[in-house]
Amino acid sequence: KAGVTQTPRYLIKTRGQQVTLSCSPISGHRSVSWYQQTPGQGLQFLFEYFSETQRNKGNFPGRFSGRQFSNSRSEMNVSTLELGDSALYLCASSWGQGLSGFFGQGTRLTVV
Amino acid sequence: AQSVAQPEDQVNVAEGNPLTVKCTYSVSGNPYLFWYVQYPNRGLQFLLKYITGDNLVKGSYGFEAEFNKSQTSFHLKKPSALVSDSALYFCAVRDGTNNNAGNMLTFGGGTRLMVKP
Repeated sequence: KAGVTQTPRYLIKTRGQQVTLSCSPISGHRSVSWYQQTPGQGLQFLFEYFSETQRNKGNFPGRFSGRQFSNSRSEMNVSTLELGDSALYLCASSWGQGLSGFFGQGTRLTVV
Repeated sequence: AQSVAQPEDQVNVAEGNPLTVKCTYSVSGNPYLFWYVQYPNRGLQFLLKYITGDNLVKGSYGFEAEFNKSQTSFHLKKPSALVSDSALYFCAVRDGTNNNAGNMLTFGGGTRLMVKP
């Protein structure tokens, strides 16, 4: 069974641009959660999607958004990039609620 | 609100010795507790979880963790450390009583484990 796939693995963007990251969950998993990992703030929850609906949202500005498609694949978008958005963005997929999430390798975003 | 504390930024242990990585949590409802490991430039790998039942939970790669409700702790342990165990370890909690919590996890700051030969 294929694991959680995140694309791209690495990305360099310029301040002010926007970026879209993709996450393909494990087959059959309906929940996709996104996290931001930085040296200063650690791992912080961004949002979770379940059956195409946003179920929870973390404390991030509106520049951070996401969506989930009918095949459970999810995308997150960051608009008007700031230097502080440089981070490793991780997604996790789960079959249901309260189960151990399986994480992808992450997308390393660098904003210059 | 829920929170996780990992009081040690780094734990050093000699290969073959037992290791403990500490974690304490705060959550209003029943805690669902998790341990993950992260190797350089990689995502998180699941080690073990506590949902309910026995307080001693056994996980992957010989790791185990003990849930202590009175001390609100969930320390990760391994009887004999390997050099290959050197990595970053994260403890996480979810409020198991809150049906609206979904799969939202709150993570600790992480503990770097260094196992020396």
